[in-house]
Amino acid sequence: QVQLQESGPGLVKPSETLSVTCTVSGYSISSGNYWGWMRQPPGKGLEWIGSIYHSGSTYYNPSLKSRVTISVDTSRNQFSLKLSSVTAADTAIYYCASRPGAAFDYWGQGTLVTVSS
Amino acid sequence: EIVLTQSPATLSLSPGERATLSCRASQSISNYLAWYQQKPGQAPRLLIYDASNRATGIPARFSGSGSGTDFTLTISSLEPEDFAVYYCQQRSNWPPVLTFGGGTKVEIK
Repeated sequence: QVQLQESGPGLVKPSETLSVTCTVSGYSISSGNYWGWMRQPPGKGLEWIGSIYHSGSTYYNPSLKSRVTISVDTSRNQFSLKLSSVTAADTAIYYCASRPGAAFDYWGQGTLVTVSS
Repeated sequence: EIVLTQSPATLSLSPGERATLSCRASQSISNYLAWYQQKPGQAPRLLIYDASNRATGIPARFSGSGSGTDFTLTISSLEPEDFAVYYCQQRSNWPPVLTFGGGTKVEIK
């Protein structure tokens, strides 16, 4: 059974960089799949942030591309999200998920990141 | 960028009734469409992938149909645990960008 677990700072100051890591268990990242990040502002809908292939190829939401970096660490079976120059609009629950095809089949439980001074 | 429009925004039904949810794409996406269910305080759960394939463990009362630009999620007979928010999601071929629809809330009438 594939399991994903996000870990993040909880609180980030405006203009700083948000960093969240997803630890995968039950499946080796290097075996394949795309791995993705989504977010959901409180009370709102889902937004795709970006995806990374196990080889390291990345694809980002055009609206966030200038601020987003997704990377993978196969030795730790983790992948990470960095979002720079954050504002209050980036306050959201951040989810990681696996995507073997066109859909996300396994999701983490999400981590709330609040942007506030 | 492909936009997904879900309708209605809210669907008020009683247990045992049939629910029909719509997702329309701004351009053809072949069958690269998925449906998710989300309950309060939980992560989304994959219900349907590639427009019509049920994910592992999903009850047969959930079915998906459509191709091109018009897609439908049908819940044949609503169970109490089905009252939730439902999202559709697409993946375009190139660039490989994904988008979610705005969601449909299925609430108890």
